[in-house]
Amino acid sequence: SQTIHQWPATLVQPVGSPLSLECTVEGTSNPNLYWYRQAAGRGLQLLFYSVGIGQISSEVPQNLSASRPQDRQFILSSKKLLLSDSGFYLCAWSFGLVVDEQFFGPGTRLTVL
Amino acid sequence: GNSVTQMEGPVTLSEEAFLTINCTYTATGYPSLFWYVQYPGEGLQLLLKATKADDKGSNKGFEATYRKETTSFHLEKGSVQVSDSAVYFCAHIRSSGGSNYKLTFGKGTLLTVNP
Repeated sequence: SQTIHQWPATLVQPVGSPLSLECTVEGTSNPNLYWYRQAAGRGLQLLFYSVGIGQISSEVPQNLSASRPQDRQFILSSKKLLLSDSGFYLCAWSFGLVVDEQFFGPGTRLTVL
Repeated sequence: GNSVTQMEGPVTLSEEAFLTINCTYTATGYPSLFWYVQYPGEGLQLLLKATKADDKGSNKGFEATYRKETTSFHLEKGSVQVSDSAVYFCAHIRSSGGSNYKLTFGKGTLLTVNP
């Protein structure tokens, strides 16, 4: 069976510091991978998606970047965090792009002070 | 454009009460529709889905019917339990070809069930 892991579970960082959140998937090959942000009262916003190693598409302009160095590894980064980067970050994977169910990780709670 | 609108919460019910959470969508083509549930402190889990008009998705006592004529996918449960307390998200994704792969979510509805 497939599993998805995210770490850390919670993170408190000062404004201007760098960020690295990691997501890994086990039990499947060549998954599609997604990063979402869930801000209070604003639902989920898709930030990035990837269909393969080194292939990243950005949905919204922002202070964040994503990378996929390995097939089942997806990393969300920032060089300098902003207060507005606070939120709950969710990684997800799916078998295909169009109609497939997405499977979500447990999330990372990021607080920027 | 594509969007999902669901009733704003929070919704507070007593155990065994009837639940309805409304969801309507706008989309080009014929999207697949989903309800996801997020329990406190956890990620999202798929609750149920429907891929074409008049389909009924069901799981754990929850049901939702894909109504193309009203562009709706309302979530219902006949008798809620305390363990149903969670945030519920309605979502859609296009089922036709092209590059629009995006899973579009509503803002979520917080449900609290009291014993």
